This record gives sequence, C-alpha cells and structure tokens, in this order.
Amino acid sequence: SQQGEEDPQALSIQEGENATMNCSYKTSINNLQWYRQNSGRGLVHLILIRSNEREKHSGRLRVTLDTSKKSSSLLITASRAADTASYFCATANTGNQFYFGTGTSLTVIP
Amino acid sequence: DTGVSQDPRHKITKRGQNVTFRCDPISEHNRLYWYRQTLGQGPEFLTYFQNEAQLEKSRLLSDRFSAERPKGSFSTLEIQRTEQGDSAMYLCASSFQGTTGNTIYFGEGSWLTVV
Repeated sequence: SQQGEEDPQALSIQEGENATMNCSYKTSINNLQWYRQNSGRGLVHLILIRSNEREKHSGRLRVTLDTSKKSSSLLITASRAADTASYFCATANTGNQFYFGTGTSLTVIP
Repeated sequence: DTGVSQDPRHKITKRGQNVTFRCDPISEHNRLYWYRQTLGQGPEFLTYFQNEAQLEKSRLLSDRFSAERPKGSFSTLEIQRTEQGDSAMYLCASSFQGTTGNTIYFGEGSWLTVV
C-alpha cells in the first residue's frame, strides 16, 4: 500500500488563484518530495524537503513539513492554466525507498 | 544531459505473452527504481537497485515479474505470461544515492496494454 495520501483528490480553481494541496503519511521519513504529472506522462520533480526542514520555497511553490503531524502541504501561488496536472507527494524512508500517494488532480481554469 | 529513457513507450500484447521493458538511467546515477501506475492512482513501488544489486524485490507483484540490472547501468523489467490486469504504465526512475537525501528522476514510462 502507498504511504502518502494527498488531499483533496481533485481541486479546480481560477487562473491567478492559489492552490493548496496536502499530504499525510504514516511512518518516519528521511525526506518528502513533491512531483507533478501531466496526463500520460512521467513524473517531474518539483521540490524536496528534508525531515529537519519546516518550509521551503522554489519560485511559485511553497512546501511545508510538519513531522509531528506527519503532514506536508504544497502551495502554488498565482496559478496558471499550465499548472493543470496531478500532483503527488513521495516519502522516503531511511532506506531511501520512495512511496507515492494517490495524488491531487489540479485544474486551473483560464 | 539525457534523462531517464524507457523503451518501448507503448506495448500491446496478447494475454499469455511475455514482455520486457528497458530503462536507461541518468548515467551517473547508482540507484534505479521501477514503479507501476494505473489510471487514477499514484505510482506503486515495485523494486529498486543500487548499482547491480537488487535491494528490494518483495513488492514485485507476483513471481511473473522480474527485474535485472546486470552491469549496474540499464535495467530490464520482464513480465511473463501477461494477464489483462497487468495493463498499466511502468515507470523507471533513477537517483544518485548520497548522504543528504536524493531526488529521483523519472522516465516517460512504458504503457502496457494486454488484450
């Protein structure tokens, strides 16, 4: 079974709005990563946050990690139609095996 | 800089046939992962290698699935006696295992349709 679970399963917003999606996981992690996947394509790495970090930024992306709650959030600011995709969190255990959640499907309406 | 390459991108096979997928990782990466993904689901971990050693294979879906990485470079995933339930996208990923955590990079996937 997969370790991470994203919430919500689907999200639809207007272009220019912010999109927030959450990830919860079950066991101790070494790091957590967010990926994006366009329909029928491979996954593209967005950002990695280590277990001793609480927040990280990359361009329009902001990721937080709360290891006490075993949760992470991904915020995409000023969304664009091109951000339409599925977003997955992946958790890495101490053995650096990566497990993915079921994803959040984001639709940005122009 | 070439990324992770997978071949073939699409495969249609008849039930009962064997199929093999190939993955060429990023050249300096020592870890290689195989995942399976079905529609509407996240990637499901199957197995991974560090160099030529297969470090985890308990999550391979059945004994019909096997993977090799003979020289620590490219890898193959073979499915024997395919079943319709094997229809999915098979994703390969690679990473460089360091001490500060590693990012995995995915290929575009190999779509399998079993008819």
